Amino acid sequence: DIQMTQSPSTLSASVGDRVTITCRASQSFTNWVAWYQQKPGKAPNLLIYKASTLESGVPSRFSGSGSGTEFTLTISSLQPDDFATYFCQHYDSVSPTWTFGQGTKVEVK
Amino acid sequence: QVQLLQSGSEVKKPGSSLKVSCKASGGTFTSYTFTWVRQAPGHGLQWMGRIIPILNITNYAQNFQGRITIIADKSTATIYMELSSLRSEDTAVYYCARVRDGAGYVLDYWGQGALVTVSS
Repeated sequence: DIQMTQSPSTLSASVGDRVTITCRASQSFTNWVAWYQQKPGKAPNLLIYKASTLESGVPSRFSGSGSGTEFTLTISSLQPDDFATYFCQHYDSVSPTWTFGQGTKVEVK
Repeated sequence: QVQLLQSGSEVKKPGSSLKVSCKASGGTFTSYTFTWVRQAPGHGLQWMGRIIPILNITNYAQNFQGRITIIADKSTATIYMELSSLRSEDTAVYYCARVRDGAGYVLDYWGQGALVTVSS
């Protein structure tokens, strides 16, 4: 099974900062990588799919990039509403299975 | 407006079974695949299994093989997840989610979650 290693596990930042979160895959695969935001007590919310496509309604300060084994979520200018936990996710069409990264908590610096 | 409405929180005894429901509305039920994902307190997301209701095909994560059953009731647009032989490590929030096939099989709508506590 493909493993998704997400880093960092915690990130301290201030409003207005540029924030980058990385997911590395144990092997190369398609760009079927998604990113979700989760706030305490709530279900995850889809931000990015197919590595770089912004979900409808998601602010443009969120962007995704990457291919092969390394994928990145970037928040260009962190807003107060963005303090949350972020997860990457990969879909393996062969198995089929959905694999999540361990999560990155973005907290106030 | 797509909504996935799950059944409520439960407390279960070790060794017992759990059945969580997820009623879908606002979309064509048989056009989609649905999955179950759980999240233990303070932990990440763990995929459990999926069902394609129109084909009645299921796939389960290896960690849950033999303990999990996912079924779909097309007449009520409801998905059920049953987990047997519960242990304390099964304490978690259980989510159902809809799969968008054309977007890299992402989970685009989620239920509100059902907290299951396994305790004697």
